[in-house]
Amino acid sequence: GESVGLHLPTLSVQEGDNSIINCAYSNSASDYFIWYKQESGKGPQFIIDIRSNMDKRQGQRVTVLLNKTVKHLSLQIAATQPGDSAVYFCAENIRGSQGNLIFGKGTKLSVKP
Amino acid sequence: DAGVIQSPRHEVTEMGQEVTLRCKPISGHDYLFWYRQTMMRGLELLIYFNNNVPIDDSGMPEDRFSAKMPNASFSTLKIQPSEPRDSAVYFCASSGFWSGNTIYFGEGSWLTVV
Repeated sequence: GESVGLHLPTLSVQEGDNSIINCAYSNSASDYFIWYKQESGKGPQFIIDIRSNMDKRQGQRVTVLLNKTVKHLSLQIAATQPGDSAVYFCAENIRGSQGNLIFGKGTKLSVKP
Repeated sequence: DAGVIQSPRHEVTEMGQEVTLRCKPISGHDYLFWYRQTMMRGLELLIYFNNNVPIDDSGMPEDRFSAKMPNASFSTLKIQPSEPRDSAVYFCASSGFWSGNTIYFGEGSWLTVV
């Protein structure tokens, strides 16, 4: 789920299917992770978070999985809807740095009706 | 509850002019952040405050950028003089003890310098 320069990775799914968005984080000292959703023309919106002492957390239609061994984070969206179309960012917080999040470049999710 | 409030939402200005962006954080939050978002660089942290005190301004691009937080409910980000490469979306965000490390963003100020 990381991008370079102008090109965001894009995930295109059919309405009703499940979506999986991946993110590789960089710092083994990171202890808190957040997924944000950003719709066109709006600010990033909090979706779900997870702390490093967990490997899975579920919300409403969303699940975040954390694999600390390979420094990998994923966001699963069940029964994807057109309203889920947006850019999704993962963010990591390094232990001891209150609230200073490091953001990935984002993945664009496109839902086909 | 009101979220983070930013103004102006959109601004078009000429190169060399001063630009002032404003932010009201969520009431009770003691951390305030200014981010810049561009297609090339994504979301970048410019500066953040804790209890109105600047903690880390290492992300501020250069001396043309300055930020202040005179009280717990107001912050400004100023660019003087502005340049076309400053064109971006500038987000203010805040967090507080009761929200853990979760940062809540405003809707952004879309700046175009021509």
